[in-house]
Amino acid sequence: GDSVTQTEGLVTLTKGLPVMLNCTYQTTYSPFLFWYVQHLNEAPKLLLKSSTDNKRTEHQGFYATLHKSSSSFHLQKSSVQLSDSALYFCALRGSGNTRKLIFGLGTTLQVQP
Amino acid sequence: EAAVTQSPRNKVTVTGGNVTLSCRQTNSHNYMYWYRQDTGHGLRLIHYSYGAGNLQIGDVPDGYKATRTTQEDFFLLLELASPSQTSLYFCASSAGLGAETLYFGSGTRLTVL
Repeated sequence: GDSVTQTEGLVTLTKGLPVMLNCTYQTTYSPFLFWYVQHLNEAPKLLLKSSTDNKRTEHQGFYATLHKSSSSFHLQKSSVQLSDSALYFCALRGSGNTRKLIFGLGTTLQVQP
Repeated sequence: EAAVTQSPRNKVTVTGGNVTLSCRQTNSHNYMYWYRQDTGHGLRLIHYSYGAGNLQIGDVPDGYKATRTTQEDFFLLLELASPSQTSLYFCASSAGLGAETLYFGSGTRLTVL
């Protein structure tokens, strides 16, 4: 069945360093991937999404590239800021008629001064 | 920006109690969803709906009922609340399924004693 795997539960970094949050998926359908971000005590919000193989998509300094060959959609940023501290969810559009979103468990990014 | 409003923000009840969580969206979206968020489980879909009077079963529906009374309003009902239903509940809406962005409310924190 469809699934999304985020391998890191917690990533702690110093401000200014680059970050990559891992996301891999399994699906029998054409993949459509999303990243949602949830700041403390706030609602999750869409960060970026893509269904195009090998094309980089960017938003608010974050970027990700869907690689169908490796079933991956890793989230990256070249220089993290304190305000990037949040919970990040990777999500996959499910197969079949319902096409519900399937969320990963999430990765908490903590940025330290 | 799509607006999704949830109430109450916090709710405490006892085991066996009756709870209704409310959600209203003002963007004429067809789809509305109820998720629960728990540490170690991410976001899990309870029920969703594609219009007034419609209800679809999600991935973790046991112990929950839902009703979509209008295009704007979607309610989640816990008729015999149990401690295992202590969670953070999010309502969301989207224009369609699949590739559409989910817009989340601010969440309801439910505690069942």
